[in-house]
Amino acid sequence: ILNVEQSPQSLHVQEGDSTNFTCSFPSSNFYALHWYRWETAKSPEALFVMTLNGDEKKKGRISATLNTKEGYSYLYIKGSQPEDSATYLCALPLEAGNMLTFGGGTRLMVKP
Amino acid sequence: DSGVTQTPKHLITATGQRVTLRCSPRSGDLSVYWYQQSLDQGLQFLIQYYNGEERAKGNILERFSAQQFPDLHSELNLSSLELGDSALYFCASSPLAGPGELFFGEGSRLTVL
Repeated sequence: ILNVEQSPQSLHVQEGDSTNFTCSFPSSNFYALHWYRWETAKSPEALFVMTLNGDEKKKGRISATLNTKEGYSYLYIKGSQPEDSATYLCALPLEAGNMLTFGGGTRLMVKP
Repeated sequence: DSGVTQTPKHLITATGQRVTLRCSPRSGDLSVYWYQQSLDQGLQFLIQYYNGEERAKGNILERFSAQQFPDLHSELNLSSLELGDSALYFCASSPLAGPGELFFGEGSRLTVL
């Protein structure tokens, strides 16, 4: 993988469902991985910044894991609510000291 | 509210014209980043300034230029506009020179007709 890839592109779930999506990145020269949440008509907001292999971060019903050796991170949402509907972006600096390169995002829609 | 202010929020203009987008970073943040979000594209990095100096350049067209002023606000100038320049332009700031957590403004939506 030469870039930052996210899957799926979009996801429709029912309220109460748990869900997860993936961010894949080059496993060599890892520096840090960021997850952002972007609601429509608002600005992206940082959820997590992860730096260590095996890192797990949690904020309420949202959690993330990181595997730097194989180059992926999972974002989990437990018991999805309509207010979780947003685009979830992951981003990494692909070179030391470099700017964040963003993936294409996963657009989550939670139906009541 | 991230503390990053962008103006204008919306802008409609014609091909061939020139526009200026403005960004005020969070108080104390020295880095300003500009990103472009076009239809069907992810956030594309354009350029970064740190404490008044250009620090990193991404896929920024020659028709586009930016600067950061002594009070740390930044402007992105887009000239000879084309239809394909229609996009949401985000400014983000951070306290560091390196790629730490970014604080985004709400974006300036540019429509070129």
